[in-house]
Amino acid sequence: AQSVTQPDIHITVSEGASLELRCNYSYGATPYLFWYVQSPGQGLQLLLKYFSGDTLVQGIKGFEAEFKRSQSSFNLRKPSVHWSDAAEYFCAVGGPRQGNLIFGKGTKLSVKP
Amino acid sequence: DAGVTQSPTHLIKTRGQQVTLRCSPKSGHDTVSWYQQALGQGPQFIFQYYEEEERQRGNFPDRFSGHQFPNYSSELNVNALLLGDSALYLCASSTGTEAFFGQGTRLTVV
Repeated sequence: AQSVTQPDIHITVSEGASLELRCNYSYGATPYLFWYVQSPGQGLQLLLKYFSGDTLVQGIKGFEAEFKRSQSSFNLRKPSVHWSDAAEYFCAVGGPRQGNLIFGKGTKLSVKP
Repeated sequence: DAGVTQSPTHLIKTRGQQVTLRCSPKSGHDTVSWYQQALGQGPQFIFQYYEEEERQRGNFPDRFSGHQFPNYSSELNVNALLLGDSALYLCASSTGTEAFFGQGTRLTVV
């Protein structure tokens, strides 16, 4: 079955600290992987995506993610978190036309001053 | 470029009623997908429209139907509303390389 697991429901980090959000997926074909961010009451903004090639991908707002096929993981990282990064983060997997994206349940990030 | 626009932003309906939500895709995008996001959950795929036809469908009942117009805009219709249909409904448009999401329509069924 196709699925995305985000094991951490809620994470709190101090401003300036590093961040890693975990994502594991199960997908029958070659996965196209995405990270989205959602502020309260808002739509989803794409942070980064992985289709093929270099397994370390850079995104907007200083985020990066690493694809590890052997671990079926696509973890999101940021070296230094800013208060404005507080939001909910969703990992998703899908096919090439990105229609039927399968999302995880999300990780809510809180940032302490 | 206005991006993906959805209307209305909020609405309240009574159980058993019918509702229509609208989506205008980003300029140049020919594919529209609809998602339901219940409170505290990730978005769930409802269906996708391309060239005015439903191309893929998720695990949603027939009460959920849609339409795509020649200008690529789309509607989501939900009949016989249930309390459990209360959610944020997101529209996404794409050309195949990246999906852009609208701000969503918050539907409350009372």
